[in-house]
Amino acid sequence: AQKITQTQPGMFVQEKEAVTLDCTYDTSDQSYGLFWYKQPSSGEMIFLIYQGSYDEQNATEGRYSLNFQKARKSANLVISASQLGDSAMYFCAMREPISSNTGKLIFGQGTTLQVKP
Amino acid sequence: DVKVTQSSRYLVKRTGEKVFLECVQDMDHENMFWYRQDPGLGLRLIYFSYDVKMKEKGDIPEGYSVSREKKERFSLILESASTNQTSMYLCASSPPGGFFNQPQHFGDGTRLSIL
Repeated sequence: AQKITQTQPGMFVQEKEAVTLDCTYDTSDQSYGLFWYKQPSSGEMIFLIYQGSYDEQNATEGRYSLNFQKARKSANLVISASQLGDSAMYFCAMREPISSNTGKLIFGQGTTLQVKP
Repeated sequence: DVKVTQSSRYLVKRTGEKVFLECVQDMDHENMFWYRQDPGLGLRLIYFSYDVKMKEKGDIPEGYSVSREKKERFSLILESASTNQTSMYLCASSPPGGFFNQPQHFGDGTRLSIL
């Protein structure tokens, strides 16, 4: 069965510094997708970045990048130049195999990030 | 811009009541999902629907049911609310599973308290 693990319940980072949020996954499938979401205290889930298992390049979106290490089954989120507005909970998620055609996501437990001024 | 709207941000109900949580999306998405979020557990899938009148159980369907009479609307029903159903409920929608890199779009969530 697929599984996502985020081992850091909470993290602190100084404003303007970079931070890495860890995510490891377990799957026996060759084709899968990995997503990161941000959830501010207001509650909405904001999509940040996507990485496909066959993508040769690590995904990047502005200040967000994904350190994808397929052999290690890790997909860590890197936030560069942290801002106070980055304080939130971050979730890593894996999509069910393409063969299932359901689009279901499996989520990790989440990491709470606090950015210090 | 994509929009998923949940009917209430905060809701307080009593034990034993029948509770309806409504979700509407304006993106013509086939797939819709209901999740429950609890501290330390992440998001857990309750039910999902891949077409009108079609539904499938997720990981924690006990105590819940769903209804999807129209493509844009997906309702979560707590048949007889209990205190252990106090939680944050999130609705999401997405294109069909074949659009592999398309994210799910979420509503703002409903914080439900059962007293």
